[in-house]
Amino acid sequence: NAGVTQTPKFQVLKTGQSMTLQCAQDMNHEYMSWYRQDPGMGLRLIHYSVGAGITDQGEVPNGYNVSRSTTEDFPLRLLSAAPSQTSVYFCASSNAPGIEAFFGQGTRLTVV
Amino acid sequence: DQQVKQNSPSLSVQEGRISILNCDYTNSMFDYFLWYKKYPAEGPTFLISISSIKDKNEDGRFTVFLNKSAKHLSLHIVPSQPGDSAVYFCAARGYNNNDMRFGAGTRLTVKP
Repeated sequence: NAGVTQTPKFQVLKTGQSMTLQCAQDMNHEYMSWYRQDPGMGLRLIHYSVGAGITDQGEVPNGYNVSRSTTEDFPLRLLSAAPSQTSVYFCASSNAPGIEAFFGQGTRLTVV
Repeated sequence: DQQVKQNSPSLSVQEGRISILNCDYTNSMFDYFLWYKKYPAEGPTFLISISSIKDKNEDGRFTVFLNKSAKHLSLHIVPSQPGDSAVYFCAARGYNNNDMRFGAGTRLTVKP
């Protein structure tokens, strides 16, 4: 049982580059979300989805796009990377929003 | 604005003693609270939760207490074990169920 799988685990980008962080879950959860973790800030919600075709913004959405074409996948796109987006990114899924969630192992992103 | 605050960045206790991790919140609309544990290079894992209609919830060695009037919750671990050494995040769910807010985390070290 894989749970929530994130790829890649590490990534270095140059300022202005774009990339997609992948997230897949095999638990048939409707709710998926993306967080970033920064020192002293905890986890902050970027975007979330309550089901295929439905997405919405969280606390810090600027500079990121998401889509949800299937129940399993919820990719996060960085449109034009900036050093302020250097962070650890976590994808999570759950049966419903705001309850116990399963997290992926994280993607450590560095933008230089 | 940090609506969920964990004011102690770190805590160190001896094996077998009690660990008490604290969390304060400012938004009276939060109605569900969760604790997550995070080991290095892993995603957070759910530990225990409590609804705002309760003031205590127990699960084995872990107990969460909620004081709504003080907007304060705490996690008690008894007895503490070296394997409990991790970063603990407090999280709160807003009234619209999609607004999850996390504290900055407390690093617990349990010494043998």
